[in-house]
Amino acid sequence: AQKVTQAQTEISVVEKEDVTLDCVYETRDTTYYLFWYKQPPSGELVFLIRRNSFDEQNEISGRYSWNFQKSTSSFNFTITASQVVDSAVYFCALTRNQAGTALIFGKGTTLSVSS
Amino acid sequence: EPEVTQTPSHQVTQMGQEVILRCVPISNHLYFYWYRQILGQKVEFLVSFYNNEISEKSEIFDDQFSVERPDGSNFTLKIRSTKLEDSAMYFCASSETVRNNEKLFFGSGTQLSVL
Repeated sequence: AQKVTQAQTEISVVEKEDVTLDCVYETRDTTYYLFWYKQPPSGELVFLIRRNSFDEQNEISGRYSWNFQKSTSSFNFTITASQVVDSAVYFCALTRNQAGTALIFGKGTTLSVSS
Repeated sequence: EPEVTQTPSHQVTQMGQEVILRCVPISNHLYFYWYRQILGQKVEFLVSFYNNEISEKSEIFDDQFSVERPDGSNFTLKIRSTKLEDSAMYFCASSETVRNNEKLFFGSGTQLSVL
């Protein structure tokens, strides 16, 4: 069975602080895909990144970076120099290597960035 | 950027009533999905749909639920006899190709309230 655990329910930081959101996953598959989605207060789900299980290179996109560690089954997300607009719920998700199959979401981490 | 469009944004219904949630996926997309999010909880997969057939469904998607692509552009989710516990945000999503696990584009959701 597949499972995603986001142990941090809520995180509060002050603007310009760096913050890391943790994601630990479980799967028996050798090929799988990991995602991060952002859900701002307006409610929509915004895609941030997709990573396949064979690509362990860390990725940086502006202030966002992702650290994929297959050895510890983790796919952590770091926001550098956080801003108020980063305040949202962030979901980590996992899916199998099969077209049309379900995304399994974690429970999400609510990030609050204050000025 | 193309969008997945969902209507209505809010739907209020009485327990036991039928409700139809509507979605217009991105026009060249081939896979369609419904997910739901009960308030404050994680996003849960309901069903995926490809080539006019259900591709995969979760245990949540029981006989009270059905999906349809009636006219080649709309994708609908019907709940036959709503229950209080069906109250949730329902997200439609689509993906472009049959390649595994392409990025899902989510709509803004329909907030369903069952009274």
